Amino acid sequence: QSVLTQPPSESGTPGQRVTISCSGSSSNIGSNTVNWYLQFPGTAPKLLIYTNNQRPSGVPDRFSGSKSDTSASLAISGLQSEDEADYYCATWDDTLNGPVFGGGTKLTVL
Amino acid sequence: QVQLQESGPGLVEPSETLSLTCTVSGGSISTYYWSWIRQPPGKGLEWIGYMYHSGTTNYNPSLKSRATISVDMSKTLFSLKLSSVTAADTAVYYCARGIFGVVIGGHNYYMDVWGKGTTVTVSS
Repeated sequence: QSVLTQPPSESGTPGQRVTISCSGSSSNIGSNTVNWYLQFPGTAPKLLIYTNNQRPSGVPDRFSGSKSDTSASLAISGLQSEDEADYYCATWDDTLNGPVFGGGTKLTVL
Repeated sequence: QVQLQESGPGLVEPSETLSLTCTVSGGSISTYYWSWIRQPPGKGLEWIGYMYHSGTTNYNPSLKSRATISVDMSKTLFSLKLSSVTAADTAVYYCARGIFGVVIGGHNYYMDVWGKGTTVTVSS
């Protein structure tokens, strides 16, 4: 049982805009910043969004992050087949005094 | 460009100690939070702990003090030891470079560079 709640799966068609939600509580998302990681099968996670809405160098601006109260969202516009992967949200948890992850969302491009 | 590479035995017997090393190349081992994360087969990510180059450590309480992380700055590597392992510790283990700060929005911690991961199976 993950501290942060994500839908197990989402899907979309090429060119579509999809969003992935991440729900937490006042002790984690509600009081700290949110990050997103992308993981292709058999490979290591890669930082996709940090500090709520910042993109590391090389990440296309099709990816954007937002946060409101105790929830966060990752939006992917102009969906492409190569976006098919697992997406994880993460944040700091004040109760745990450490970082926590969501359970991950498997994105399928139909 | 900083790169991380995990190494260690792929098979550990139950009740023994799992020992992994992460070699840091292309950058300094100072300033950052050197972290270990694991992913059981078919499951999500779990933070194990981190060590700051100064020696400060922080571990996931769920591991009940079984984890120890150390940094060897002279060799630019850091290590993980996990004692009294069981089958539940079978996972892909990743090392990562963490960045930590306190901003207006609270604690800001993220991992910007990851190793490729190493699979560890606990079995007799």
